[in-house]
Amino acid sequence: KAGVTQTPRYLIKTRGQQVTLSCSPISGHRSVSWYQQTPGQGLQFLFEYFSETQRNKGNFPGRFSGRQFSNSRSEMNVSTLELGDSALYLCASSLLGLAGSSYNEQFFGPGTRLTVL
Amino acid sequence: AQSVSQHNHHVILSEAASLELGCNYSYGGTVNLFWYVQYPGQHLQLLLKYFSGDPLVKGIKGFEAEFIKSKFSFNLRKPSVQWSDTAEYFCAVNNNNAGNMLTFGGGTRLMVKP
Repeated sequence: KAGVTQTPRYLIKTRGQQVTLSCSPISGHRSVSWYQQTPGQGLQFLFEYFSETQRNKGNFPGRFSGRQFSNSRSEMNVSTLELGDSALYLCASSLLGLAGSSYNEQFFGPGTRLTVL
Repeated sequence: AQSVSQHNHHVILSEAASLELGCNYSYGGTVNLFWYVQYPGQHLQLLLKYFSGDPLVKGIKGFEAEFIKSKFSFNLRKPSVQWSDTAEYFCAVNNNNAGNMLTFGGGTRLMVKP
């Protein structure tokens, strides 16, 4: 079974631009979560989508947005990029969206390394 | 809001030494607990998880963790580390009211000297 895939793997943008990152979950997984990983702040939760609906949102500004499609694939968008947005963006998928069950184990993708110049 | 603390940021051990990485969380309700590992250049992988039941859980590669509810702790242990255990280790918490959201600790970089 293929794992979580993320595209592109590397991206370089300049301040003020916008960027879209893509995540394809493991086949059959319906929950997709996004995380930002930086050396200073560590791993921080951005948002979670389940059945095309945003279920949870982390403490990030409105420049960060996402969506999920009917095939469970997800995209996240960052508008008006800032230098501090440089990070590894990780996507994780889970079989179900039910917390507290034995099925909410999340599988992480390799990430997209975004560099903002 | 829940938070997770990992007290050791960097740990250096020799092969065959025993390992214990500390993890404490703050949340008063029911939690699910995880340890993830990130090997150099690789993606995050689940080492072990605790949802309920026996507070001593065993994971892959000889790792285990003990949930102590009264101390809000979930420490990771391995009796004898190998050079291949060199990686960054993350403790994470999920509560039943937050979907699949994970709150991560700051991570511990482990270096095992051959």
